Amino acid sequence: GQNIDQPTEMTATEGAIVQINCTYQTSGFNGLFWYQQHAGEAPTFLSYNVLDGLEEKGRFSSFLSRSKGYSYLLLKELQMKDSASYLCAYMDSNYQLIWGAGTKLIIKP
Amino acid sequence: GAVVSQHPSRVICKSGTSVKIECRSLDFQATTMFWYRQFPKKSLMLMATSNEGSKATYEQGVEKDKFLINHASLTLSTLTVTSAHPEDSSFYICSARGLAGETEQFFGPGTRLTVL
Repeated sequence: GQNIDQPTEMTATEGAIVQINCTYQTSGFNGLFWYQQHAGEAPTFLSYNVLDGLEEKGRFSSFLSRSKGYSYLLLKELQMKDSASYLCAYMDSNYQLIWGAGTKLIIKP
Repeated sequence: GAVVSQHPSRVICKSGTSVKIECRSLDFQATTMFWYRQFPKKSLMLMATSNEGSKATYEQGVEKDKFLINHASLTLSTLTVTSAHPEDSSFYICSARGLAGETEQFFGPGTRLTVL
């Protein structure tokens, strides 16, 4: 099946840290992606995890646990420009991306 | 990094007309291109996958006669929305992938289609 789930919306404060969770269920797995999408724009790539563990890239980090079907995106030192939707997607055995519905992140001053 | 362009970025058309959207990979050869549509505040929905030189594979529920996809070269794929209706109004996004088995897809900027 194609089951992938993430929260619909989250709110955080400028300068703080926020963690966006993503859970999935699949029989075929070739990695987990996180994308950022600002309203009216195409998604932009943030991270890719295929092995368990934490990948850090500047203010953004992504974690994967394959056995739990779980990933999170961690955003530190939040800035107003981080207000966007964050999409997680896993790549199935056919190398197709299966998308979550996206998490709208609202940053407040 | 790899760049994918789409043209036009915005189009407004009358109901019943056809609209063609182009997707180009500018600095790499895309063996596979994907077409997505996205309704407001919704996730990306894969419409079809096209491989250069072969027929596109459409997702369930997507009408192949309505959404014509042509992937004639390694750098160009086109999506034609035939006999467009207001319910076809959406944000259409293409993405491209280089070699088979590569994981990253590169997204075009999207095309906003409004059918009056």
